[in-house]
Order: sequence, then C-alpha cells, then structure tokens
Amino acid sequence: EVQLVQSGAEVKKPGESLKISCKGSGFSFTSYWIAWVRQMPGKGLEWMGIIYLGDSDIKYSPSFQGQVTISADQSISTAYLQWNSLKASDTAMYYCARRSGTAYFDSWGQGTLVTVSS
Amino acid sequence: SYELTQPLSVSVALGQTARITCGGNNIGSKNVHWLQQKPGQAPVLVIYDNTKRPSGIPERFSGSNSGNTATLTISRAQAGDETDYYCHVWDSTTDVVFGGGTKLTVL
Repeated sequence: EVQLVQSGAEVKKPGESLKISCKGSGFSFTSYWIAWVRQMPGKGLEWMGIIYLGDSDIKYSPSFQGQVTISADQSISTAYLQWNSLKASDTAMYYCARRSGTAYFDSWGQGTLVTVSS
Repeated sequence: SYELTQPLSVSVALGQTARITCGGNNIGSKNVHWLQQKPGQAPVLVIYDNTKRPSGIPERFSGSNSGNTATLTISRAQAGDETDYYCHVWDSTTDVVFGGGTKLTVL
C-alpha cells in the first residue's frame, strides 16, 4: 500500500526555523516526484514546489522560491520542507503528495499543521 | 502563467447531477485531474487524465474536457458528496496549477 506519512503538528514563534518531513512507503521512492502543497485556513490548495527523488531535481513555485527549501533523503525515503525564519503568515496545513503519470497527485500525506504565533 | 478558474460554489438537489467546471485557455489540450477534499482531511484523487477513475472511486464520478472547459460530473448526488473539489493540470511554464476550488452543496 502506497503511504505518505508526515511529521506531527508544530507550534513555532516568528523568526524560528522549522523542517517538516514526509516519509514514503509501499513504492519505489526514487521513481517519483513529491510535491509540497500549502492550504491556509479556509483557503484553497497552493503548489509550493516539487522534488524528483531519483536525482533530487527541484522546482519551486515562483510564489515560494526563496521562502522555503525542499530536500530529500533517498536512504530513508523522506522528503522535507524547511523554513529558516517563520512568519505568522506561514500558519497553514502543509501536505506532501506523490505525482504520477501525467502529473496527477494520486497519494497524499495526512498533512502537517504549522502554527506560527508569538 | 497559466490559470484555472472554478466557480466558488455549485448546488445540486439530492439525487440529481452536479457539474463542476474548470476553465482555462485551451484546457482541452491538457490532462485535467480532479481532487475531492472533505473537511479536516487530505485531498483524494477522484478523476485523472480527464476521464479516468482511480480504483475505489464510484462510477457516479466522471469527467470531460474540451475547448476551454473541463467538467467534473457527479451523478445521483449524495449528501456525502457535499465538499470541496479542485481541478489541477501540469503546465510547461508553471508546472503545477490548481484551480481555486468549488464547494458543492447538496440540497
């Protein structure tokens, strides 16, 4: 069974750093792209970026370029999303999703809620 | 950059057919995929490649795509179908593009 399991909810202060994770199982991790998607409270889905796990090729949405860092560790089938300095506006649910075929997202993590508040 | 336009809301009577549209410039030349997201849950793929259903998705869900509009059709709408739906495509300039989402209300 294909699964993406994300790290748990986080509560942080503005200016703090954070790295959340997405661990894949049940599929060949290095054969897929994994995307990160933001969903702010009560809002829609926003694509942040995507990483190809075979060679760690990364593409960022222009809206998030320079704001976050996407990485992966093939040895433990895990993708990461990282912030160096969080802002209150980063408060959101963050999902990872596996991209397949003609670029559809066929498997999603359960989401990681990030709350940034002083 | 490529944009997808969805209606904010669509209403359908219980047991009738709901149609949710996704508009984009020449979207008929792209593969359109649809996600269903229930409150407090991660999205679930319900249609991919315009018309295909993943295993486990009821036959009541179908899709079409032509010209500047793709459509998700939900036949015999049930109370459990009342939730948010998103279309998405791949575009050569922007990579992933999501529609803004449509809230389906079953009356």
